Amino acid sequence: DQQVKQNSPSLSVQEGRISILNCDYTNSMFDYFLWYKKYPAEGPTFLISISSIKDKNEDGRFTVFLNKSAKHLSLHIVPSQPGDSAVYFCAATSGTYKYIFGTGTRLKVLA
Amino acid sequence: DSGVTQTPKHLITATGQRVTLRCSPRSGDLSVYWYQQSLDQGLQFLIQYYNGEERAKGNILERFSAQQFPDLHSELNLSSLELGDSALYFCASSVYDSWAETQYFGPGTRLLVL
Repeated sequence: DQQVKQNSPSLSVQEGRISILNCDYTNSMFDYFLWYKKYPAEGPTFLISISSIKDKNEDGRFTVFLNKSAKHLSLHIVPSQPGDSAVYFCAATSGTYKYIFGTGTRLKVLA
Repeated sequence: DSGVTQTPKHLITATGQRVTLRCSPRSGDLSVYWYQQSLDQGLQFLIQYYNGEERAKGNILERFSAQQFPDLHSELNLSSLELGDSALYFCASSVYDSWAETQYFGPGTRLLVL
């Protein structure tokens, strides 16, 4: 049972445009969500997070939106840069110290 | 560089063998998580330790065990290895800020079971 789903395995975007990565979850008990970026041969790097008491969190070029009723979150990257090319994982937790990760979306930003 | 170190980087072994993966958390972090990432899969949470004590358990096989030592480094022991155990194994240490926990991942150990 995949509680956190990233249905798009890959995404290509032109440099300077917006990248939107999506994530759906099924467990209504999740109350904290995170996005990680992963380059080849490296571990995931924390990008941005959001608590379920918010619907938006922004950090520079990165914004995460949370729609609790739809059990959906998205990561917006504006403007996209070639260095953003990586695999992006969303993760969720319900405060039990168990983090459930999605399968990742490979983003390619074309110069 | 996250500050989390993992050794070895690569490990090739045979079915039925036992291996030990090592993780050193960032200085000051008390919590260590272990994850498994198989091909085209997300990170599967295995187990978490906090200051030497097991705090949370995920889908960790009985053939796998872990511990955290007084100096806070952690080891993940994988025994009776099977082909399906071939994967990337990550550890992460974490820190709490005012309202949330952030995990910092090591570079991973790539295990290949032949």
